[in-house]
Amino acid sequence: ETGVTQSPTHLIKTRGQQVTLRCSSQSGHNTVSWYQQALGQGPQFIFQYYREEENGRGNFPPRFSGLQFPNYSSELNVNALELDDSALYLCASSLGTSGDTQYFGPGTRLTVL
Amino acid sequence: RKEVEQDPGPFNVPEGATVAFNCTYSNSASQSFFWYRQDCRKEPKLLMSVYSSGNEDGRFTAQLNRASQYISLLIRDSKLSDSATYLCVVNKKSNYQLIWGAGTKLIIKP
Repeated sequence: ETGVTQSPTHLIKTRGQQVTLRCSSQSGHNTVSWYQQALGQGPQFIFQYYREEENGRGNFPPRFSGLQFPNYSSELNVNALELDDSALYLCASSLGTSGDTQYFGPGTRLTVL
Repeated sequence: RKEVEQDPGPFNVPEGATVAFNCTYSNSASQSFFWYRQDCRKEPKLLMSVYSSGNEDGRFTAQLNRASQYISLLIRDSKLSDSATYLCVVNKKSNYQLIWGAGTKLIIKP
């Protein structure tokens, strides 16, 4: 196993609600990246956090926001949920920001009804 | 056009066959290349990095052609346990993002 954990594993919400997903990075890793994977698609980059600062962002609206804590764990918050937000949300931890050798958690499967 | 394109699947092949996956990428600045494997309803796991000289890991061989912006993965003597979705991934050194293909599903039949 990678040592990256995510919670919860599954979540069901309704349109308009807000959700917070959590990720604990592998020991010694200071970077967390978040991805959204819709059914039948590859993961899409949401954003990355490095040493508690957002280090880059993909093509996602501002209602997707995040945080990284001093212990390098991270949260992904999504406001005003839409049906299309239903997906597997993956976090990946790494040492540094180059994108190489990212270790993925098991993901949180979000269903928006 | 998508930044990373893969063969649409699924591939249905008999056990023991050789399978080839193809991937093209559009950004010539891409500098790191990977193949990931993803089992149904699980997270992606790194299968192998792809180097310019090509690299092999047991039954798996990866090739990179920078001039053609093309990456391949060959699986020899396929096993039932190779059934999964194979994702092609590229990364620009100047950028932290991993850009993923949609994946090609492989089904190995006994």
